[in-house]
Amino acid sequence: QSALTQPPSASGSPGESVTISCTGASSDVGTYDLVSWYQQHPGKAPKLLIYEVTKRPSGVPDRFSGSKSGNTASLTVSGLQAEDEADYYCSSFAGNHVLFGGGTNLTVL
Amino acid sequence: EVQLVQSGAEVKNPGESLRISCEGSGYTFTTYWISWVRQRPGKGLEWMGRIDPVDSYTNYSPSFEGHVTISVDKSISTVYLQWSSLKASDGAIYYCAKHEGSVPGVWGKGTTVTVSS
Repeated sequence: QSALTQPPSASGSPGESVTISCTGASSDVGTYDLVSWYQQHPGKAPKLLIYEVTKRPSGVPDRFSGSKSGNTASLTVSGLQAEDEADYYCSSFAGNHVLFGGGTNLTVL
Repeated sequence: EVQLVQSGAEVKNPGESLRISCEGSGYTFTTYWISWVRQRPGKGLEWMGRIDPVDSYTNYSPSFEGHVTISVDKSISTVYLQWSSLKASDGAIYYCAKHEGSVPGVWGKGTTVTVSS
């Protein structure tokens, strides 16, 4: 299985919206509505932001939202804040396996 | 509160064996799969494999199958990741994560493994 494809970097100014894409294949993202997104600050463990494409765990601000179309999933961060600067990873169930994207470093300008 | 408490940092020589652990608490341990994820220095997340604590059924990523073993002792709510012969390239942070559905949800803080002669 190949890793999911994410852009290596993204950026936006405070208050703006940024969308990060995650492209997989028909055997993973395209088949299963089991895409999740994680936020990782330097030196910290990843934190679940979105699961099952659009759902947010309790405590995650509604500024974070997820969607999917075909083999590509997306994470949108609205109303960017300085604390959103971090690495973001997508993940998809792929049968008996889990795949991660390569990660996107989000910079808040 | 759901917690995954991982064992402490390890420094090993190439060729040595190692077992690191992940203890779950605050939930019914046997209800949720647990995955292990590797993160090499400055790199992304790599899924290694997962285990069902009920019956010890495991799935491994093809990249890790045969190189590591995932096991569980449900009597003490603990999952293990072990190597029989470490390589320098195994140096990384290893995270365990309790699944939410089919993907990792709550993560442990990570165990740093350093392999150096």
